[in-house]
Amino acid sequence: RKEVEQDPGPFNVPEGATVAFNCTYSNSASQSFFWYRQDCRKEPKLLMSVYSSGNEDGRFTAQLNRASQYISLLIRDSKLSDSATYLCVVSKSGGGADGLTFGKGTHLIIQP
Amino acid sequence: DAGVTQSPTHLIKTRGQQVTLRCSPKSGHDTVSWYQQALGQGPQFIFQYYEEEERQRGNFPDRFSGHQFPNYSSELNVNALLLGDSALYLCASSGMGRAYEQYFGPGTRLTVT
Repeated sequence: RKEVEQDPGPFNVPEGATVAFNCTYSNSASQSFFWYRQDCRKEPKLLMSVYSSGNEDGRFTAQLNRASQYISLLIRDSKLSDSATYLCVVSKSGGGADGLTFGKGTHLIIQP
Repeated sequence: DAGVTQSPTHLIKTRGQQVTLRCSPKSGHDTVSWYQQALGQGPQFIFQYYEEEERQRGNFPDRFSGHQFPNYSSELNVNALLLGDSALYLCASSGMGRAYEQYFGPGTRLTVT
């Protein structure tokens, strides 16, 4: 079983719609959780950290369910510029003295 | 404020050869991590350097080695290249105690023929 699993998509979504991605992780000792965004042929960039209490950054909301080992990302009022691959990421270390474990990514295409 | 830089941007090598990739971290960062990203996959952790020592290592063979210099820059060396080593090699830097908040460079695309 892969450490971090995501639906690769692609998700084809009309502009203005709400879209949700999920991922699951296998290591219950994981301490830190993130969503990264990667544009085509570019490097990954940190989108947001994910906390058990849930966190929101503008149109983006992330949620963590430790009991189910499940992470979600919700994008509201999607824009054309949201088209990218979204990578679910976990780390075993809370302070980060550890590498990040990435999922394969979910490809999102926002259509006009 | 310069971000993470990597060189070269592209490289073509032959099976069996050796390659060295270079990375300069973001200003103020002291930790460098290296990742391999094959086409259609997420990045895979190779190793992390802090205080000029390898602190953590992923599931990669000894053909992959690295080094960190006193100025925090880093090199990734791959010996005896295989066709399967063709990938985008990403360097990420992070600050003291915040190694989870990693900033990635643009990567070096290595093609092994």
